[in-house]
Amino acid sequence: QKEVEQDPGPLSVPEGAIVSLNCTYSNSAFQYFMWYRQYSRKGPELLMYTYSSGNKEDGRFTAQVDKSSKYISLFIRDSQPSDSATYLCAMSTTGNQFYFGTGTSLTVIP
Amino acid sequence: DAGVTQSPTHLIKTRGQQVTLRCSPKSGHDTVSWYQQALGQGPQFIFQYYEEEERQRGNFPDRFSGHQFPNYSSELNVNALLLGDSALYLCASSRGGQETQYFGPGTRLLVL
Repeated sequence: QKEVEQDPGPLSVPEGAIVSLNCTYSNSAFQYFMWYRQYSRKGPELLMYTYSSGNKEDGRFTAQVDKSSKYISLFIRDSQPSDSATYLCAMSTTGNQFYFGTGTSLTVIP
Repeated sequence: DAGVTQSPTHLIKTRGQQVTLRCSPKSGHDTVSWYQQALGQGPQFIFQYYEEEERQRGNFPDRFSGHQFPNYSSELNVNALLLGDSALYLCASSRGGQETQYFGPGTRLLVL
């Protein structure tokens, strides 16, 4: 069983839609949770960082962590064509070694 | 403020050769982590360097080694290259004790 599971998609939505991206994990010791955005042939770009449980909002992005269900989510409101990318979740017990999901490919159609 | 930089951007090697990849961390950062990202996969943690020492290592063979210099820049060395080593190699930097890692653009390695 992988440490982190993420639906690879692809996911295609119309511009302006609300996007929901999710990851599940098996290690209950994970307490650092990240979401990265990766454009084709580029390095990942940090979007959101959450420590332990709860919600965090930054502009059009909201990250949620449910440790009881071992489930994290990223919501994108008012999606734009520029949001088209691969979204990676990552998590860690110590904040040093991060375990990544395989990434979800998102396309926002104008 | 310069972000994380990596060199070279692309590299082609043949099986059995050795390769060295380089990384300069973001200004103010002292910790460097290396990841391997195969096509269609998420990054896999190779190791992390802090204060010129390997602090943590992922599940990679000893063919993968590294070094960190006093200016916090880092090198990743891979010996006896295999076809399966073809991937995007990512460097991420952070400030010691902080979890937020910022990635460079990566070095794309192709082993023929």
